[in-house]
Amino acid sequence: GAGVSQSPSNKVTEKGKDVELRCDPISGHTALYWYRQSLGQGLEFLIYFQGNSAPDKSGLPSDRFSAERTGGSVSTLTIQRTQQEDSAVYLCASRLDRVGEAFFGQGTRLTVV
Amino acid sequence: KQEVTQIPAALSVPEGENLVLNCSFTDSAIYNLQWFRQDPGKGLTSLLLIQSSQREQTSGRLNASLDKSSGRSTLYIAASQPGDSATYLCAVEKSSGDKLTFGTGTRLAVRP
Repeated sequence: GAGVSQSPSNKVTEKGKDVELRCDPISGHTALYWYRQSLGQGLEFLIYFQGNSAPDKSGLPSDRFSAERTGGSVSTLTIQRTQQEDSAVYLCASRLDRVGEAFFGQGTRLTVV
Repeated sequence: KQEVTQIPAALSVPEGENLVLNCSFTDSAIYNLQWFRQDPGKGLTSLLLIQSSQREQTSGRLNASLDKSSGRSTLYIAASQPGDSATYLCAVEKSSGDKLTFGTGTRLAVRP
């Protein structure tokens, strides 16, 4: 596709359930980022993938959060045993390489009830 | 730890006015700075990217300047229009390929 695609656009889940959020970056982009935006808050960095290098996981808030990127393309962010404080918009971005503009998807709005 | 601040947090102006949004960052050792806009319920749209060696970038009615030594950037919007209403975010990158550190944004409303 022409842009970064995220699915689902909205997800409502019960507390304690696991969720998977998907990101399809722009074709050919080697860098992929996950951010979280809570209501009224700024964007919080979660994790960064660059090519075949080990990901930068320094922003993951707890061990309930994990992400993988298969084949250097699609990425999945998994949240286990969701909590109400996990409710936020999860945004994915990709870049062509280490430089240049970052392009964001429309986000997945996660609501934990 | 890099901290990015945007002032004002909110701004309301009449259509046609020229305006300036401010972004400041505590660590001047940055690689680049990027300005985004975010419409309600949407993702971020990239507006301008300024490399650390550059002083400004222009796109249409938008002009972004960077004063790296003082830790400041401004986004100038000329002849504002109601369609410019959105939240504007600045983000800095410490080194090539690093994560972006975002400010909390300026919510702009342009009144017809």
